[in-house]
Amino acid sequence: ETGVTQSPTHLIKTRGQQVTLRCSSQSGHNTVSWYQQALGQGPQFIFQYYREEENGRGNFPPRFSGLQFPNYSSELNVNALELDDSALYLCASSFSGAGNEKLFFGSGTQLSVL
Amino acid sequence: AQRVTQPEKLLSVFKGAPVELKCNYSYSGSPELFWYVQYSRQRLQLLLRHISRESIKGFTADLNKGETSFHLKKPFAQEEDSAMYYCALQGGSEKLVFGKGTKLTVNP
Repeated sequence: ETGVTQSPTHLIKTRGQQVTLRCSSQSGHNTVSWYQQALGQGPQFIFQYYREEENGRGNFPPRFSGLQFPNYSSELNVNALELDDSALYLCASSFSGAGNEKLFFGSGTQLSVL
Repeated sequence: AQRVTQPEKLLSVFKGAPVELKCNYSYSGSPELFWYVQYSRQRLQLLLRHISRESIKGFTADLNKGETSFHLKKPFAQEEDSAMYYCALQGGSEKLVFGKGTKLTVNP
């Protein structure tokens, strides 16, 4: 059984640039959720994708967008990067149903915006 | 709105001592509550959820709806319990909301 993998592990960008983060779901999972974890904070929900459709969104601006592919892998795109976007971005996959499912997290991508 | 509060950022106990990590929540409906743990250099993982009423690695947590709490307890802490602990809530169609976490250190 393959776990959740994220790439890249670290990334440095400058303000105003765009970034794409990638996530491969655990085998058999059909749902991907993205979280932002700022230093000293808990993970904050960005959005979730279920069967290639957005299935819930947290309090993040539209410049945060995502995709889920037929193989259930996913991308998180952030446009017009701001300094406050510097954080650890976590991907979590699960097998969904109706929610309340167990999340399996990746190791994260550490994004630094200069 | 959903909110999870973990009042202690840091908690330090000695090996063999009881430990309690506090979690309070705010939600108007019937919540699902979880504890996630992150050991050093490992990824975030589920420790337990209240719906399962299970004990994992000696940890238990009871949902107290009257006090809106879901404290995590272990009667005898071990050094390997040292980690970052996050309480999380899921209500209705909302997705998981995490607290800010408590760093537990178990001293020898």
